[in-house]
Amino acid sequence: NAGVTQTPKFQVLKTGQSMTLQCAQDMNHEYMSWYRQDPGMGLRLIHYSVGAGITDQGEVPNGYNVSRSTTEDFPLRLLSAAPSQTSVYFCASGFGGSGNEQFFGPGTRLTVL
Amino acid sequence: GENVEQHPSTLSVQEGDSAVIKCTYSDSASNYFPWYKQELGKRPQLIIDIRSNVGEKKDQRIAVTLNKTAKHFSLHITETQPEDSAVYFCAARGNQGGKLIFGQGTELSVKP
Repeated sequence: NAGVTQTPKFQVLKTGQSMTLQCAQDMNHEYMSWYRQDPGMGLRLIHYSVGAGITDQGEVPNGYNVSRSTTEDFPLRLLSAAPSQTSVYFCASGFGGSGNEQFFGPGTRLTVL
Repeated sequence: GENVEQHPSTLSVQEGDSAVIKCTYSDSASNYFPWYKQELGKRPQLIIDIRSNVGEKKDQRIAVTLNKTAKHFSLHITETQPEDSAVYFCAARGNQGGKLIFGQGTELSVKP
């Protein structure tokens, strides 16, 4: 198993540009989520999904869109990038239900100029 | 919604000493409390977790305690070693298996 994969590893955008961060998992996990990590702010939940076709907002959803058309993929879209979205983005996945471990991807470091 | 507060933000101990990190949560429906360790430049990885029907759980040098009445839980690391130096995150999740909300993190430094 490849586990949770994310692409790209690094990305530099200009303000106003759009892009999609990719996340995929091959463990048949129902639950997938996106976090951003900023110094001193911990891991903040952006959006999450409890299964294909179902998504919901997290703590900081503004400026981001998601969709879940398959169990394996959970892309994160930035429609119009802003400098405030400069961060490290982590995707995570796990089996449904409360007590199951969430596995993190390697992260994407995004800089918006 | 759930809110998780974590303290302290930084912690420095001498090798061999114990370290304690504390978290509080707001949603009384939360019933799963994992702890993650993140080494520099790496992804967070689960080190221990506890469910609300258990008051304490131990795994070698690490232990977690949970006080549901007070809505707080703690991570205890004994006999600390330099390789324990990392950022530690607590988190909380409700019984519907939805959002996993993290605390702000604690940067632990173990000095040889």
